[in-house]
Amino acid sequence: DTTVKQNPRYKLARVGKPVNLICSQTMNHDTMYWYQKKPNQAPKLLLFYYDKILNREADTFEKFQSSRPNNSFCSLYIGSAGLEYSAMYLCASSRTNSGNTLYFGEGSRLIVV
Amino acid sequence: GDSVTQTEGLVTLTEGLPVMLNCTYQTIYSNPFLFWYVQHLNESPRLLLKSFTDNKRTEHQGFHATLHKSSSSFHLQKSSAQLSDSALYYCALSPANSGTYQRFGTGTKLQVVP
Repeated sequence: DTTVKQNPRYKLARVGKPVNLICSQTMNHDTMYWYQKKPNQAPKLLLFYYDKILNREADTFEKFQSSRPNNSFCSLYIGSAGLEYSAMYLCASSRTNSGNTLYFGEGSRLIVV
Repeated sequence: GDSVTQTEGLVTLTEGLPVMLNCTYQTIYSNPFLFWYVQHLNESPRLLLKSFTDNKRTEHQGFHATLHKSSSSFHLQKSSAQLSDSALYYCALSPANSGTYQRFGTGTKLQVVP
């Protein structure tokens, strides 16, 4: 089973409200990632967990938070959504020593109004 | 920082013609891993092929690519396009093989027509 699951698949949020996106995988992968994808742009890496170590990109450091309570789950938290957060959020996971192949979830589409 | 460049946003080909999608990269790391992911409509991206060995051809599902460190390139090729190859193709780079990030290019949409 190489499934990565994301919830919710669709989220409508008001400006200024919090958003929490969830990702899970059952492959015992040690690394989990969150990417933001906007139309005609490259998937942008927001952060990743290598085991319990969180790595956040410098330019999005203060905008996104994350937690990984166990190996299987990883969340992405936006404290106060802005219009610019409207995007597809892709979760992915990978395993050390497997060539770092990413396995993607189906994505969570966030629309902020 | 690291970056991946895919110069073509859209490539339209007639079925049966050869495919070549360009990918170049920049990195400070001497042994990067390069990947091609394919995303079909309404699906998630999935790995097509990957390489970290200089000048070695990697093949999968009729596609092939060779990592050339001298030119920082990892172009994707196929001898004969099929209608089912129509999809979005991403090139990605990772500085190592574990516990680290992958950076993606903007993607090339391949449209194969009859």
